[in-house]
Amino acid sequence: DAEITQSPRHKITETGRQVTLACHQTWNHNNMFWYRQDLGHGLRLIHYSYGVQDTNKGEVSDGYSVSRSNTEDLPLTLESAASSQTSVYFCASSESRVGETQYFGPGTRLLVL
Amino acid sequence: QQQVKQSPQSLIVQKGGISIINCAYENTAFDYFPWYQQFPGKGPALLIAIRPDVSEKKEGRFTISFNKSAKQFSLHIMDSQPGDSATYFCAALVSGSARQLTFGSGTQLTVLP
Repeated sequence: DAEITQSPRHKITETGRQVTLACHQTWNHNNMFWYRQDLGHGLRLIHYSYGVQDTNKGEVSDGYSVSRSNTEDLPLTLESAASSQTSVYFCASSESRVGETQYFGPGTRLLVL
Repeated sequence: QQQVKQSPQSLIVQKGGISIINCAYENTAFDYFPWYQQFPGKGPALLIAIRPDVSEKKEGRFTISFNKSAKQFSLHIMDSQPGDSATYFCAALVSGSARQLTFGSGTQLTVLP
């Protein structure tokens, strides 16, 4: 069965360190998204991609970057982790033509000390 | 700027009761309105969705009511069950162009046995 996976599921890091969160989907979807989830804010879009070599900034992109070298993966990098980036991160994907239903991964819980 | 406002933040309902969650949007270009359900430790998953050309959509115990003139939509869960206890997010999207979902802040539903 097609799926979307994230790793690691839990991560503790220190302020200032670079952190990369992995997202891998086997749906063969062109659209991929990264969100962060914080209490009271719902899901906020960090970055998104509509295909290989395409990346776009979302609502809360400062301090984050992504790269898309193939269809299956969209890693999220925190350049210099800050305590404000402690959150739960979700990756999602959707079909390119319709693009309405997004399929979410299980999430990565990140703690920045 | 929060384009989709969701209320209440939390909701406690007795088993068999009706759960009602409300959302209001600002952007009149939105033309697809999904609801996502999220269980603890899991990613959100599509529950039900509606387009503005209909005023109501029902799937089992779940119903979306849509009021285009008021720019409001709501989720009704009939005969609520303890297994419905989860966080519910409303969302909105402009089909075709951006394919980006704008989420509400979420409602934590607890159904008491």
